Amino acid sequence: EAQVTQNPRYLITVTGKKLTVTCSQNMNHEYMSWYRQDPGLGLRQIYYSMNVEVTDKGDVPEGYKVSRKEKRNFPLILESPSPNQTSLYFCASSLERLAGQSNEQFFGPGTRLTVL
Amino acid sequence: GQSLEQPSEVTAVEGAIVQINCTYQTSGFYGLSWYQQHDGGAPTFLSYNGLDGLEETGRFSSFLSRSDSYGYLLLQELQMKDSASYFCAVSFSGNTGKLIFGQGTTLQVKP
Repeated sequence: EAQVTQNPRYLITVTGKKLTVTCSQNMNHEYMSWYRQDPGLGLRQIYYSMNVEVTDKGDVPEGYKVSRKEKRNFPLILESPSPNQTSLYFCASSLERLAGQSNEQFFGPGTRLTVL
Repeated sequence: GQSLEQPSEVTAVEGAIVQINCTYQTSGFYGLSWYQQHDGGAPTFLSYNGLDGLEETGRFSSFLSRSDSYGYLLLQELQMKDSASYFCAVSFSGNTGKLIFGQGTTLQVKP
């Protein structure tokens, strides 16, 4: 089954304790992206990756790191989490965007993170 | 800066037609997408407009006017299961994967 998976789905942690949220897709997609969703603010892009070893900042990259060492995986790293990073996080992937083509993104199920 | 505006809430009755508008102020506009999200679940792709005009996919249609920086999602023959949040999203020209979402419109369908 074609899908994007994220782990963990739920996480409660404490300020300053490094954590990684994994994201994996089995659709051979070039493009992957991370978003956070907070009430009333919609989805905000954190980082994206156009291909292996190519990553770039989205709108809200502060406090996050990513890596793209292989095509299928795109982990999100919080080196020193703070309470303002409490949020619902989504990973997404899509085929490489071609001119005139839709950039339909497939989203993972989400990770609900609470930082105390 | 870059911004998208959508109504925060829309209410309609089963069987009716509803239109959700999205206006944007961006530079380097490439295309407008629409996503549906139920109760904090994974957003799912509905439609995309790269060119002006109407795109139809079953009960859902989406429209884009680049000259007006405006688009809308049209939902016909509303069903209870259409109660969800709907987001418009702008993608950008050039070699960039940047994507900006609107704040979302919560649609409530009543019997």
